Amino acid sequence: DAGVTQSPTHLIKTRGQQVTLRCSPKSGHDTVSWYQQALGQGPQFIFQYYEEEERQRGNFPDRFSGHQFPNYSSELNVNALLLGDSALYLCASSSLGTTQETQYFGPGTRLLVL
Amino acid sequence: AQSVTQLDSQVPVFEEAPVELRCNYSSSVSVYLFWYVQYPNQGLQLLLKYLSGSTLVKGINGFEAEFNKSQTSFHLRKPSVHISDTAEYFCAVSDLTGGFKTIFGAGTRLFVKA
Repeated sequence: DAGVTQSPTHLIKTRGQQVTLRCSPKSGHDTVSWYQQALGQGPQFIFQYYEEEERQRGNFPDRFSGHQFPNYSSELNVNALLLGDSALYLCASSSLGTTQETQYFGPGTRLLVL
Repeated sequence: AQSVTQLDSQVPVFEEAPVELRCNYSSSVSVYLFWYVQYPNQGLQLLLKYLSGSTLVKGINGFEAEFNKSQTSFHLRKPSVHISDTAEYFCAVSDLTGGFKTIFGAGTRLFVKA
C-alpha cells in the first residue's frame, strides 16, 4: 500500500512565478491537508480539502489556492511567488469518517524561490 | 484557538541515557495530542497520539508520553535513547471539532551523542 506521495520532490522558481504541487493520498483516505514548513520551524496549516471543497483554511493569503479531484488527489497552487514562500510543503491525508484523527504525511516538496 | 509550546529548542543527550521532551499546549476546548518525528530531509512520522482514555500513551520506537490535563502538558519520554533517535520532534494538537487541522509546535532537536 503506497502511502502519501508528493511531486515533485524539489522545485526551484523565481519571484513572481506560479507553482503547482501535487499530492496523492493514502489508499482509503478522502481528506487532504496542506502544510508549509519553513526552515527551522514547525509545519503551519494552509488548508484542507474534503469532497472537492476547501473545508478549513489557515492564515495564508489568497495567493495560496488548492483543488481536490474526484480521486481525492490534490494540488496546491501558489501565485506571485515571494522569497518567503521558500519552504517544505507537506501534504497529509486522512479519513474524515474515522474517529482516530490520524494524519499520514508525505515526504514533502521542497520549494526554493530565488 | 490552540497553541503549542515546545519548551526546549535543542536537547543533547548521551546514548543510552533517558530523555524527556517537553510540550505545553493551550486550548479552550478538548483536544487530541500528537508527537511526530522528522528525520533529515523527510516528512513527518507519527510517534504516538492521545485521543482519550489512559493518560499514558505508548508509541513506536520505545517512546511514551503522558497527558496531564491540569498542567496542559504532553511530555515525550524515552528511557534509553539511541544514536538513531537523533531527529526533530514535533508536538501537535487538533481540536475535536476542527477535523484534522493540526497546530504544531516549533520543534525540539534531539541530538544523541555517542
